[in-house]
Amino acid sequence: QQPVQSPQAVILREGEDAVINCSSSKALYSVHWYRQKHGEAPIFLMILLKGGEQKGHDKISASFNEKKQQSSLYLTASQLSYSGTYFCGTENSGGSNYKLTFGKGTLLTVNP
Amino acid sequence: EAGVTQSPTHLIKTRGQQATLRCSPISGHTSVYWYQQALGLGLQFLLWYDEGEERNRGNFPPRFSGRQFPNYSSELNVNALELEDSALYLCASSRYLAGLTGELFFGEGSRLTVL
Repeated sequence: QQPVQSPQAVILREGEDAVINCSSSKALYSVHWYRQKHGEAPIFLMILLKGGEQKGHDKISASFNEKKQQSSLYLTASQLSYSGTYFCGTENSGGSNYKLTFGKGTLLTVNP
Repeated sequence: EAGVTQSPTHLIKTRGQQATLRCSPISGHTSVYWYQQALGLGLQFLLWYDEGEERNRGNFPPRFSGRQFPNYSSELNVNALELEDSALYLCASSRYLAGLTGELFFGEGSRLTVL
């Protein structure tokens, strides 16, 4: 089941904040966040496991609400380097049958 | 340390032909994943291999197949190519973690164009 990301696209000025949401219709086991710049490979940002934890990484952090079956990625004081497409990936069960299913992505553009 | 490498970078085929894409994982990684990235659809899960075995596959027809070799490199085969198979095919590798997909390291992809 492909997770749903919102918004599809967002344009920011440098220094502004943004939130990208990811929701699933099924119970979540884990949520993964990746960023892909145009013409490049996706790069790992973070993994969140069920339990409602919040993780951070420089000025990029994320939360995981197991009850609501959703995760949010927070980009604070955005920099030009944050531009790219952000993908959330979800796993709906653990164990040997797991597979990481990605959403369609959110295109983030940060302008000077 | 070398990253995930994929070949060829670009491939042009005609409808009905077969395509073979190759992937070499990072040294020490036993798991290889294949994703299809078509315009506007995000990353669609194709296949997961670990220790030479197919562990899981996505919702793709059987003409998408592959294998993993003893050195953990992998091959993706697409038979009877259709126009909608045109996409960027990404390979990723990770260390196997029981019960969880770990951090994926992606290659830069193979661009397949079907005419």
